[in-house]
Amino acid sequence: DADVTQTPRNRITKTGKRIMLECSQTKGHDRMYWYRQDPGLGLQLIYYSFDVKDINKGEISDGYSVSRQAQAKFSLSLESAIPNQTALYFCATSDDGTNQPQHFGDGTRLSIL
Amino acid sequence: KQEVTQIPAALSVPEGENLVLNCSFTDSAIYNLQWFRQDPGKGLTSLLLIQSSQREQTSGRLNASLDKSSGRSTLYIAASQPGDSATYLCAVINVSGSARQLTFGSGTQLTVLP
Repeated sequence: DADVTQTPRNRITKTGKRIMLECSQTKGHDRMYWYRQDPGLGLQLIYYSFDVKDINKGEISDGYSVSRQAQAKFSLSLESAIPNQTALYFCATSDDGTNQPQHFGDGTRLSIL
Repeated sequence: KQEVTQIPAALSVPEGENLVLNCSFTDSAIYNLQWFRQDPGKGLTSLLLIQSSQREQTSGRLNASLDKSSGRSTLYIAASQPGDSATYLCAVINVSGSARQLTFGSGTQLTVLP
């Protein structure tokens, strides 16, 4: 979905490095989410934000932090990357309301050596 | 804790067949269930969203049903085409807890053979 843009698309880095993944959206949605996907598994929620002043932990937030710089921008940081954080990371957005579908970016493939 | 299961993990069918993908969930207290499609190297595309008060939703050749009391949903694809080849994921939003978050199944990888 071109309305949700993730950068970079691919990143290879070393253990212990600080990494930032960025997400921007042009859909005008208040809600943004970060997920990780491991091979053969579904997506797991890392953090989510329902507006600029709202940040919430998801299922697997340990080792990650986020920043909601503006309505359109939500970044995910790995303060000190470790190999088991190697995964595919997705950003998503949705409109307000429980019955609004989520719209996903194309993902960032992150490899930690 | 909500658990979402999708069976089978992989499915291969010849072009033109009608097929059903299955999704089950352990906690029936949900707001809605969504079906997504994931293509290799791409993000997820929302296909259908069924609210907890609904029994089914249709979009083109796709029909999704929901039986909340039994914790089951099916995605029916009519007259399958090679372009339908992708991984299909279902996800639910739970009533319990403060987080309106999606719990995902691990997906069914569908291959439609020409």
